[in-house]
Amino acid sequence: ETGVTQTPRHLVMGMTNKKSLKCEQHLGHNAMYWYKQSAKKPLELMFVYSLEERVENNSVPSRFSPECPNSSHLFLHLHTLQPEDSALYLCASSARQLGNGGYTFGSGTRLTVV
Amino acid sequence: TQLLEQSPQFLSIQEGENLTVYCNSSSVFSSLQWYRQEPGEGPVLLVTVVTGGEVKKLKRLTFQFGDARKDSSLHITAAQPGDTGLYLCAGEGNTGKLIFGQGTTLQVKP
Repeated sequence: ETGVTQTPRHLVMGMTNKKSLKCEQHLGHNAMYWYKQSAKKPLELMFVYSLEERVENNSVPSRFSPECPNSSHLFLHLHTLQPEDSALYLCASSARQLGNGGYTFGSGTRLTVV
Repeated sequence: TQLLEQSPQFLSIQEGENLTVYCNSSSVFSSLQWYRQEPGEGPVLLVTVVTGGEVKKLKRLTFQFGDARKDSSLHITAAQPGDTGLYLCAGEGNTGKLIFGQGTTLQVKP
């Protein structure tokens, strides 16, 4: 049990579909993150939420839309994705926005866009 | 832009061998973390080093933060098949963001 739960674990979607990824943490952390992990590339930071407020949008295309309704839940809404968006999407949380305390990651959602 | 370069990118060794993974940058980091990621899972934090020159040990794993806080190393003694995975270093940069290296894939063969 990692403390950060992501669903679904696997997702296959067509380019015209709309889907959402869900992340949930009950660690009492107040910062949550979305990362994209592609083969042979460093983890790419997509969005940062601190105290439910988006503090960073790392030049992510608008076909990715995050939502943080409360400090325990984070969503990533997907629509009209491209095949190059296929990747492992990781959610993480930390006790504060600065990374010193370490991040707790979920197991990720393996997304395939067809 | 702060970057972290990890080397080697891939490492395949026999059980019982020793190995070292390096994480280098031209930038100073206020702290540096090491994670291990197994297939189908997210990264798991192994250690955080904060002070220049700091050495931390976790069983057979030894982590060192460079004196100038620009580099770090992970040394594994007598590697086991259970050590197989992707090792990631991540530094806390001057903007407070965590910057990840591209990772070192380690395979330990029995």
